[in-house]
Amino acid sequence: GQQLNQSPQSMFIQEGEDVSMNCTSSSIFNTWLWYKQDPGEGPVLLIALYKAGELTSNGRLTAQFGTTRKDSFLNISASIPSDVGIYFCAGRKDSNYQLIWGAGTKLIIKP
Amino acid sequence: DGGITQSPKYLFRKEGQNVTLSCEQNLNHDAMYWYRQDPGQGLRLIYYSQIVNDFQKGDIAEGYSVSREKKESFPLTVTSAQKNPTAFYLCASSPPGAITEAFFGQGTRLTVV
Repeated sequence: GQQLNQSPQSMFIQEGEDVSMNCTSSSIFNTWLWYKQDPGEGPVLLIALYKAGELTSNGRLTAQFGTTRKDSFLNISASIPSDVGIYFCAGRKDSNYQLIWGAGTKLIIKP
Repeated sequence: DGGITQSPKYLFRKEGQNVTLSCEQNLNHDAMYWYRQDPGQGLRLIYYSQIVNDFQKGDIAEGYSVSREKKESFPLTVTSAQKNPTAFYLCASSPPGAITEAFFGQGTRLTVV
């Protein structure tokens, strides 16, 4: 099935650094979602985006719905140890369509 | 506490055996979903149900079956026909009117031995 292109695959960062990751598709989406998954747990919804160009924040996290509707971006400012985990993007083409998922970006903080 | 409960957390199965994974929610959500997650990949939809007594196949339904006899419960059976059943299985639900899979359970890790 279709999968979103999520990059980078993994990131090694220092505590306090800002983080950027993105998700792209060849198709237009009406909804973009960003989830975080801790090891052995289910994903937790971080941010939902419903309109092209929309910029939404959740604490230190900011996500944007790309103006072409084919991409989305997630930024984390001033990373802390509890930010480690896997971040997934997911997109939906219309309200009755199932979610399409990216393969995830694994965030690792260097000791 | 409201939420989605998946059980068991870890499950071992011998080849050729059917096994049922439990998913219960007390959030009064109408829609429920089952996903499969393999290492290094995103989530793939197995089955979903929008209302009681109705469910639809997702991308990878072959070798799986579900039932939705009660709003709160959406069990998944992994049958012996599933060729590669070892994976992490996630159940999710969403409230009426929402268009997102808002809440996930903690997952069941199934290993075929």
